[in-house]
Amino acid sequence: EVQLVQSGGGLVKPGGSLRLSCVVSGFAFSSWSMAWVRQAPGKGLEWVSSINAGSSYIFYADSVKGRFTVSRDNAKSSLYLQLNSLRAEDTAVYFCARVHYGDYDYWGQGTLVTVAS
Amino acid sequence: DIVMTQSPDSLAVSLGERATINCKSSQSVLYSSNNKNYFAWYQQKPGQPPKLLIYWASTRQSGVPDRFTGSGSGTDFTLTINSLQAEDVAVYYCQQYAATPRTFGQGTKVEVK
Repeated sequence: EVQLVQSGGGLVKPGGSLRLSCVVSGFAFSSWSMAWVRQAPGKGLEWVSSINAGSSYIFYADSVKGRFTVSRDNAKSSLYLQLNSLRAEDTAVYFCARVHYGDYDYWGQGTLVTVAS
Repeated sequence: DIVMTQSPDSLAVSLGERATINCKSSQSVLYSSNNKNYFAWYQQKPGQPPKLLIYWASTRQSGVPDRFTGSGSGTDFTLTINSLQAEDVAVYYCQQYAATPRTFGQGTKVEVK
C-alpha cells in the first residue's frame, strides 16, 4: 500500500522557519519525482515546488522562490520542504504528492502551517 | 502562467442526475508531438487530500468509478459525473501540467439538491 506520511507543521511567527517532512512507503521512492502543493484555509490548490528523482531538476512557485527549499533523501524515502522567512500568506495545509505524468496520483495527509504573531 | 478557469463555482444536482463541470485554460495544453492533453481532474472531500480522478484529460485513474468521465481538448475540458451519488459531494479541481508552474482551477463545489 502506498503511503505518504507527513510531519513538521505548526505555529510559527512571521519571519520564522519550519521544516516539513514526508516519509514514503509502498513504492520505489528513488524512481519518482515528488512535489509540494499547498492550500490556504478555505481556498484552492497551489503548486509550491517539484523535485525530480535525482534532485537535479528543482522548481519553485514564484511566491516561494528564495524562501523555500525542497530536498529529498532517497535512502530514507523522504521528501523535505524547508520554509524560511515565513509570511502570513504562507499559512496553509501543505501536501506532499507523487508526480505521475505531471499530475499527482498519491498525496500525503497534509500538514498545517500557521504563520501568526 | 497558464490560468485555469472553472465553471460554475458551485452546482447542486439531484441524486441520480448528471453533474457537468467545465474548465478552460488560457492556452492550449495539447502537445502536438504526442497528441496528449496535459490535463487532470481531482476530487477533494473536506479534511482530505485531493484524489486524482482523470489524467491525460480522459484517462480514468485506477479504481475511479466509470460514472466519472473526462472530455475535451486544447483549452476546453469537461468533467461529467453521471448518476450523482451521495459520496460524490466534494470540490472538484482541474489542473494543467503542460507548463511550469503547474496550475489549478479555483474549484467547483458539487452538492446534492
